[in-house]
Amino acid sequence: DTGVSQDPRHKITKRGQNVTFRCDPISEHNRLYWYRQTLGQGPEFLTYFQNEAQLEKSRLLSDRFSAERPKGSFSTLEIQRTEQGDSAMYLCASSLATGSTEAFFGQGTRLTVV
Amino acid sequence: GENVEQHPSTLSVQEGDSAVIKCTYSDSASNYFPWYKQELGKRPQLIIDIRSNVGEKKDQRIAVTLNKTAKHFSLHITETQPEDSAVYFCASLGNAGNMLTFGGGTRLMVKP
Repeated sequence: DTGVSQDPRHKITKRGQNVTFRCDPISEHNRLYWYRQTLGQGPEFLTYFQNEAQLEKSRLLSDRFSAERPKGSFSTLEIQRTEQGDSAMYLCASSLATGSTEAFFGQGTRLTVV
Repeated sequence: GENVEQHPSTLSVQEGDSAVIKCTYSDSASNYFPWYKQELGKRPQLIIDIRSNVGEKKDQRIAVTLNKTAKHFSLHITETQPEDSAVYFCASLGNAGNMLTFGGGTRLMVKP
């Protein structure tokens, strides 16, 4: 599968623990997005990168959320001191910065905070 | 910021009938409007998109129309089949930013 891949697919963690998710975009895509999706809702934008630059992060849900894309390839999303309300599907998507703006989604990481 | 409203939230049709899902958006500078299909437990997948310089686009049984003046766009599925059953999301890409804003989704059920 040469699409967007995310790891892990599922994560169960205790409240207060830190979690980190990884996203590997389609190799030639220089834009990478993180979204959160709760049950029955549409994806909610969190942040995006163009290459290694994080161009929009004001939508991150709190200062417990942070994302990196150090070499402009894969990205990580970290949630510190998890809360039960953080339970959701975290989706990554990638696209080209020029030409088509079609965003391709990964299969997501489902986080459950107990 | 951009706000996208989607209706209806659920839609049940008989196989072979048509289905129409409507979305409105708030940012007049938005210029790209994709539609995604999400099956249970799977990733959202693009099924059709339209840009602001086009009023209508068709791909086999699927069509999308855009009314920029009224700031609304619609998805039309003709000759529905049971495999069309899924949740459909509309989205809007604002000119100011580079993020897609999604509607709340429509759960389409096609009864055989």
